[in-house]
Amino acid sequence: NAGVTQTPKFQVLKTGQSMTLQCAQDMNHNSMYWYRQDPGMGLRLIYYSASEGTTDKGEVPNGYNVSRLNKREFSLRLESAAPSQTSVYFCASTSWGSSYEQYFGPGTRLTVT
Amino acid sequence: SQQGEEDPQALSIQEGENATMNCSYKTSINNLQWYRQNSGRGLVHLILIRSNEREKHSGRLRVTLDTSKKSSSLLITASRAADTASYFCATDRTGANSKLTFGKGITLSVRP
Repeated sequence: NAGVTQTPKFQVLKTGQSMTLQCAQDMNHNSMYWYRQDPGMGLRLIYYSASEGTTDKGEVPNGYNVSRLNKREFSLRLESAAPSQTSVYFCASTSWGSSYEQYFGPGTRLTVT
Repeated sequence: SQQGEEDPQALSIQEGENATMNCSYKTSINNLQWYRQNSGRGLVHLILIRSNEREKHSGRLRVTLDTSKKSSSLLITASRAADTASYFCATDRTGANSKLTFGKGITLSVRP
């Protein structure tokens, strides 16, 4: 099992460009999450999908959109990147309701210039 | 806003010593979890303690939970250089609907 995979690992964007971060899990988890991690700020939840077909805003959703494509895949889109979105992005998944342990991907390091 | 607040923010100890990290939170919870993050990597789950539990062990890890004080502690015994990492507490708040709220983390350095 690959667990949670994320692509790309690194990305540099110019202000105003768009991109989609991809996440996939092969553990048959029902819930998936996108976080951003900034120095001294810990992890902050951007969006989450409690189950296939649903998505909800987290703590810092502005400037992002998400798509739960199917049970395995959950993508995060930046429509018009801003320097404030420079961060490390983590995707995570869990079987919420039976196990609450979240499994994390390796992260995407995004720089917006 | 962040639910969990860990302290200290940074901790440096000698190999073989015990490391104690604390987490406080503000609202009622269903469970509390601790995660480890090695530099440049994703978080890895260490241990979960439910709100009706007071203490839990896993190998060299011991977690306690005091719901009356809204606090938890993580003890790593006989620390090793490989324990050098950042440690986060995360709370499943009552009524939060499938979400965890993470603290800002503690940086642990274990000197060989």
